[in-house]
Amino acid sequence: NAGVTQTPKFQVLKTGQSMTLQCAQDMNHEYMSWYRQDPGMGLRLIHYSVGAGITDQGEVPNGYNVSRSTTEDFPLRLLSAAPSQTSVYFCASSYAQGLRGSPLHFGNGTRLTVT
Amino acid sequence: GENVEQHPSTLSVQEGDSAVIKCTYSDSASNYFPWYKQELGKRPQLIIDIRSNVGEKKDQRIAVTLNKTAKHFSLHITETQPEDSAVYFCAASNSGSGYSTLTFGKGTMLLVSP
Repeated sequence: NAGVTQTPKFQVLKTGQSMTLQCAQDMNHEYMSWYRQDPGMGLRLIHYSVGAGITDQGEVPNGYNVSRSTTEDFPLRLLSAAPSQTSVYFCASSYAQGLRGSPLHFGNGTRLTVT
Repeated sequence: GENVEQHPSTLSVQEGDSAVIKCTYSDSASNYFPWYKQELGKRPQLIIDIRSNVGEKKDQRIAVTLNKTAKHFSLHITETQPEDSAVYFCAASNSGSGYSTLTFGKGTMLLVSP
């Protein structure tokens, strides 16, 4: 198994541009999520999904959209990039639909810079 | 929502010493508490976890304790080695109503000097 795969690894955007961060998992996990990591701020939840067709907002959802059309894929869309969205983005998945008591498996991250 | 506080933000120890990282959480319904280790430039990886029906769990040099009454849990690393140097994150699962999410502390940078 490849686990959780994120692409691209690095991306530079100009303010106002849009893009999609890709996340795919091959473990048949129901639960998938996106976190952003900023220095001194830990990992903050952006959006999550408990299965195909079901998504919900996390702690910092503004400026991001998600969809879950398949169990395997959970893309994160930046609608109009802003410098405040410069961050490292991690996708994570878990086997339990409700997450409770099941560990998260993280991808290798996408480092995004918005100028 | 859940709030997780983590201390200290940085911790420097000598090789062979013990290291303790402490976290508190706010939601009394939280029942799952994992710890993740993140090496520089890498992804977070689970090192140990504990559930609310257990007070202590140990795995070789790593142990975690949980005090549900005080809403407090701690990571203990004994006989530290340079390869333990990393950022450590505690987290709590907010079970609330419906589906749960995982809330992370802000992290502790552990530096183990040879």
